[in-house]
Amino acid sequence: DTGVSQNPRHKITKRGQNVTFRCDPISEHNRLYWYRQTLGQGPEFLTYFQNEAQLEKSRLLSDRFSAERPKGSFSTLEIQRTEQGDSAMYLCASRRPQGTGAFFGQGTRLTVV
Amino acid sequence: DQQVKQNSPSLSVQEGRISILNCDYTNSMFDYFLWYKKYPAEGPTFLISISSIKDKNEDGRFTVFLNKSAKHLSLHIVPSQPGDSAVYFCAASDNYGQNFVFGPGTRLSVLP
Repeated sequence: DTGVSQNPRHKITKRGQNVTFRCDPISEHNRLYWYRQTLGQGPEFLTYFQNEAQLEKSRLLSDRFSAERPKGSFSTLEIQRTEQGDSAMYLCASRRPQGTGAFFGQGTRLTVV
Repeated sequence: DQQVKQNSPSLSVQEGRISILNCDYTNSMFDYFLWYKKYPAEGPTFLISISSIKDKNEDGRFTVFLNKSAKHLSLHIVPSQPGDSAVYFCAASDNYGQNFVFGPGTRLSVLP
Protein backbone atom coordinates (compact mmCIF):
# COMPACT_ATOMS: atom_id res chain seq x y z
CA ASP A 1 0.00 0.00 0.00
CA THR A 2 1.59 3.25 -1.10
CA GLY A 3 -0.97 5.64 0.37
CA VAL A 4 -0.64 7.94 3.37
CA SER A 5 -0.74 5.92 6.57
CA GLN A 6 -1.83 7.23 9.97
CA ASN A 7 -1.61 5.52 13.34
CA PRO A 8 -3.50 4.94 15.47
CA ARG A 9 -6.89 5.10 13.76
CA HIS A 10 -8.65 5.78 17.03
CA LYS A 11 -7.45 7.12 20.37
CA ILE A 12 -9.45 7.62 23.54
CA THR A 13 -7.65 9.46 26.29
CA LYS A 14 -8.42 11.12 29.58
CA ARG A 15 -8.29 14.87 29.86
CA GLY A 16 -4.84 16.03 30.84
CA GLN A 17 -2.97 13.13 29.22
CA ASN A 18 -0.51 13.51 26.34
CA VAL A 19 -1.08 11.81 23.01
CA THR A 20 1.08 11.32 19.93
CA PHE A 21 -0.03 10.49 16.41
CA ARG A 22 2.11 9.27 13.56
CA CYS A 23 1.87 9.89 9.83
CA ASP A 24 3.80 8.07 7.11
CA PRO A 25 3.45 9.98 3.84
CA ILE A 26 3.74 8.65 0.30
CA SER A 27 7.47 8.07 -0.14
CA GLU A 28 8.29 10.53 -2.91
CA HIS A 29 6.20 13.33 -1.40
CA ASN A 30 8.28 16.06 0.22
CA ARG A 31 5.35 18.12 1.50
CA LEU A 32 3.39 16.99 4.55
CA TYR A 33 0.35 18.64 6.10
CA TRP A 34 -1.59 18.18 9.33
CA TYR A 35 -5.27 19.13 9.49
CA ARG A 36 -7.97 18.85 12.12
CA GLN A 37 -11.62 18.19 11.30
CA THR A 38 -14.62 18.45 13.59
CA LEU A 39 -18.17 17.35 12.83
CA GLY A 40 -19.86 19.38 10.13
CA GLN A 41 -16.73 21.34 9.27
CA GLY A 42 -14.10 21.14 6.60
CA PRO A 43 -10.51 20.25 7.50
CA GLU A 44 -8.69 23.08 9.28
CA PHE A 45 -5.01 23.59 8.54
CA LEU A 46 -2.65 23.03 11.46
CA THR A 47 0.87 22.89 10.07
CA TYR A 48 2.97 22.14 7.00
CA PHE A 49 6.42 20.64 6.38
CA GLN A 50 8.61 20.75 3.35
CA ASN A 51 11.08 17.94 3.90
CA GLU A 52 12.09 18.29 7.57
CA ALA A 53 11.43 22.03 7.76
CA GLN A 54 8.21 23.19 9.41
CA LEU A 55 7.31 26.13 7.19
CA GLU A 56 3.94 27.24 8.46
CA LYS A 57 1.85 26.88 11.61
CA SER A 58 -1.75 27.88 12.12
CA ARG A 59 -2.78 29.95 15.13
CA LEU A 60 -4.93 26.90 15.95
CA LEU A 61 -1.69 25.17 16.91
CA SER A 62 -1.42 26.27 20.53
CA ASP A 63 1.69 25.69 22.61
CA ARG A 64 0.21 22.34 23.69
CA PHE A 65 0.62 21.08 20.13
CA SER A 66 3.94 20.18 18.55
CA ALA A 67 4.75 18.51 15.26
CA GLU A 68 7.99 17.08 13.98
CA ARG A 69 9.31 15.51 10.83
CA PRO A 70 12.82 14.59 11.91
CA LYS A 71 14.26 13.09 8.73
CA GLY A 72 11.83 14.46 6.21
CA SER A 73 9.96 11.17 6.12
CA PHE A 74 7.34 10.32 8.76
CA SER A 75 5.84 12.96 11.02
CA THR A 76 4.44 13.00 14.54
CA LEU A 77 1.85 15.30 16.08
CA GLU A 78 1.84 15.51 19.87
CA ILE A 79 -0.84 17.09 22.01
CA GLN A 80 0.08 17.74 25.62
CA ARG A 81 -2.41 18.13 28.48
CA THR A 82 -5.35 17.20 26.25
CA GLU A 83 -8.65 19.03 26.65
CA GLN A 84 -12.14 17.96 25.61
CA GLY A 85 -12.05 20.56 22.86
CA ASP A 86 -9.19 18.64 21.25
CA SER A 87 -11.59 15.84 20.33
CA ALA A 88 -11.55 15.72 16.53
CA MET A 89 -10.30 13.81 13.52
CA TYR A 90 -6.64 14.57 12.87
CA LEU A 91 -5.74 14.22 9.21
CA CYS A 92 -2.34 14.01 7.58
CA ALA A 93 -1.76 14.66 3.89
CA SER A 94 1.25 14.61 1.61
CA ARG A 95 2.05 16.08 -1.76
CA ARG A 96 4.94 15.79 -4.19
CA PRO A 97 6.79 18.85 -5.50
CA GLN A 98 4.66 20.64 -8.10
CA GLY A 99 2.04 17.99 -7.62
CA THR A 100 -1.66 18.55 -7.92
CA GLY A 101 -3.76 17.66 -4.92
CA ALA A 102 -2.56 16.58 -1.51
CA PHE A 103 -3.37 12.97 -0.65
CA PHE A 104 -4.90 12.32 2.73
CA GLY A 105 -4.59 9.44 5.14
CA GLN A 106 -7.60 7.93 6.86
CA GLY A 107 -7.09 10.08 9.93
CA THR A 108 -6.79 9.52 13.65
CA ARG A 109 -9.99 10.09 15.61
CA LEU A 110 -9.20 11.48 19.05
CA THR A 111 -11.76 11.39 21.85
CA VAL A 112 -10.87 13.16 25.08
CA VAL A 113 -13.03 12.07 28.02
CA ASP B 1 -13.87 34.86 8.55
CA GLN B 2 -14.60 31.99 6.20
CA GLN B 3 -12.42 32.34 3.12
CA VAL B 4 -13.98 29.40 1.29
CA LYS B 5 -17.75 29.02 1.38
CA GLN B 6 -20.05 26.23 0.31
CA ASN B 7 -23.48 27.63 0.94
CA SER B 8 -25.44 24.46 0.27
CA PRO B 9 -25.00 22.00 3.16
CA SER B 10 -26.74 19.28 1.17
CA LEU B 11 -27.91 18.38 -2.33
CA SER B 12 -30.05 15.52 -3.63
CA VAL B 13 -29.94 14.45 -7.26
CA GLN B 14 -31.52 11.62 -9.22
CA GLU B 15 -29.18 8.96 -10.63
CA GLY B 16 -28.13 9.78 -14.18
CA ARG B 17 -28.74 13.50 -13.80
CA ILE B 18 -26.15 16.27 -13.37
CA SER B 19 -24.90 17.24 -9.91
CA ILE B 20 -23.65 20.81 -9.54
CA LEU B 21 -21.77 21.73 -6.40
CA ASN B 22 -20.87 25.36 -5.82
CA CYS B 23 -18.06 27.11 -3.98
CA ASP B 24 -17.26 30.78 -3.40
CA TYR B 25 -14.05 32.29 -2.09
CA THR B 26 -13.09 35.69 -0.77
CA ASN B 27 -9.29 35.75 -0.93
CA SER B 28 -8.15 37.13 -4.29
CA MET B 29 -4.67 35.68 -3.67
CA PHE B 30 -5.98 32.13 -4.11
CA ASP B 31 -4.64 30.75 -7.36
CA TYR B 32 -5.23 27.01 -7.10
CA PHE B 33 -8.46 25.20 -6.35
CA LEU B 34 -9.30 21.61 -5.59
CA TRP B 35 -12.29 19.39 -4.95
CA TYR B 36 -12.23 16.48 -2.52
CA LYS B 37 -14.76 13.75 -1.80
CA LYS B 38 -15.12 12.25 1.66
CA TYR B 39 -16.87 9.08 2.79
CA PRO B 40 -17.62 8.53 6.49
CA ALA B 41 -14.65 7.34 8.57
CA GLU B 42 -12.21 7.96 5.71
CA GLY B 43 -9.87 10.78 4.81
CA PRO B 44 -10.77 13.12 1.93
CA THR B 45 -10.00 11.80 -1.55
CA PHE B 46 -8.62 14.18 -4.15
CA LEU B 47 -10.91 14.49 -7.19
CA ILE B 48 -9.86 17.31 -9.47
CA SER B 49 -8.05 20.63 -9.41
CA ILE B 50 -7.79 23.82 -11.45
CA SER B 51 -5.27 26.62 -11.51
CA SER B 52 -6.26 30.25 -11.90
CA ILE B 53 -4.89 30.41 -15.45
CA LYS B 54 -7.70 28.13 -16.61
CA ASP B 55 -11.46 28.38 -16.48
CA LYS B 56 -12.29 24.71 -16.99
CA ASN B 57 -10.74 21.35 -16.24
CA GLU B 58 -12.32 18.02 -17.07
CA ASP B 59 -11.58 14.49 -15.86
CA GLY B 60 -14.05 11.83 -16.89
CA ARG B 61 -17.43 12.53 -15.32
CA PHE B 62 -16.03 15.44 -13.30
CA THR B 63 -15.62 18.99 -14.58
CA VAL B 64 -14.57 22.01 -12.56
CA PHE B 65 -15.38 25.53 -13.74
CA LEU B 66 -13.66 28.63 -12.40
CA ASN B 67 -15.01 32.18 -12.66
CA LYS B 68 -12.26 34.38 -11.25
CA SER B 69 -14.13 37.64 -11.57
CA ALA B 70 -16.98 36.24 -9.49
CA LYS B 71 -14.62 34.30 -7.19
CA HIS B 72 -16.75 31.25 -7.83
CA LEU B 73 -16.10 27.68 -8.83
CA SER B 74 -18.34 24.73 -9.40
CA LEU B 75 -18.00 20.98 -9.75
CA HIS B 76 -20.21 19.21 -12.27
CA ILE B 77 -20.71 15.45 -12.08
CA VAL B 78 -22.34 13.92 -15.15
CA PRO B 79 -23.94 11.43 -15.00
CA SER B 80 -24.37 11.15 -11.24
CA GLN B 81 -24.13 7.68 -9.73
CA PRO B 82 -25.20 6.37 -6.29
CA GLY B 83 -21.51 5.81 -5.46
CA ASP B 84 -20.98 9.55 -5.76
CA SER B 85 -22.97 10.05 -2.56
CA ALA B 86 -20.47 11.63 -0.15
CA VAL B 87 -19.46 14.96 1.32
CA TYR B 88 -17.65 17.19 -1.18
CA PHE B 89 -15.15 19.79 -0.04
CA CYS B 90 -13.87 22.71 -2.04
CA ALA B 91 -10.34 23.85 -1.16
CA ALA B 92 -8.14 26.74 -2.24
CA SER B 93 -4.53 27.78 -1.87
CA ASP B 94 -2.14 30.51 -2.81
CA ASN B 95 1.39 29.93 -4.01
CA TYR B 96 0.45 26.45 -5.21
CA GLY B 97 -0.22 24.71 -1.97
CA GLN B 98 1.62 26.11 1.00
CA ASN B 99 -1.70 25.90 2.83
CA PHE B 100 -5.03 24.55 1.64
CA VAL B 101 -8.13 26.27 3.00
CA PHE B 102 -11.24 24.09 2.95
CA GLY B 103 -14.91 24.96 2.76
CA PRO B 104 -17.42 23.36 5.16
CA GLY B 105 -18.56 20.78 2.61
CA THR B 106 -21.74 19.83 0.76
CA ARG B 107 -23.35 16.45 1.32
CA LEU B 108 -24.42 14.98 -2.02
CA SER B 109 -27.03 12.23 -2.12
CA VAL B 110 -27.58 10.51 -5.46
CA LEU B 111 -30.89 8.72 -5.40
CA PRO B 112 -31.36 5.51 -7.44
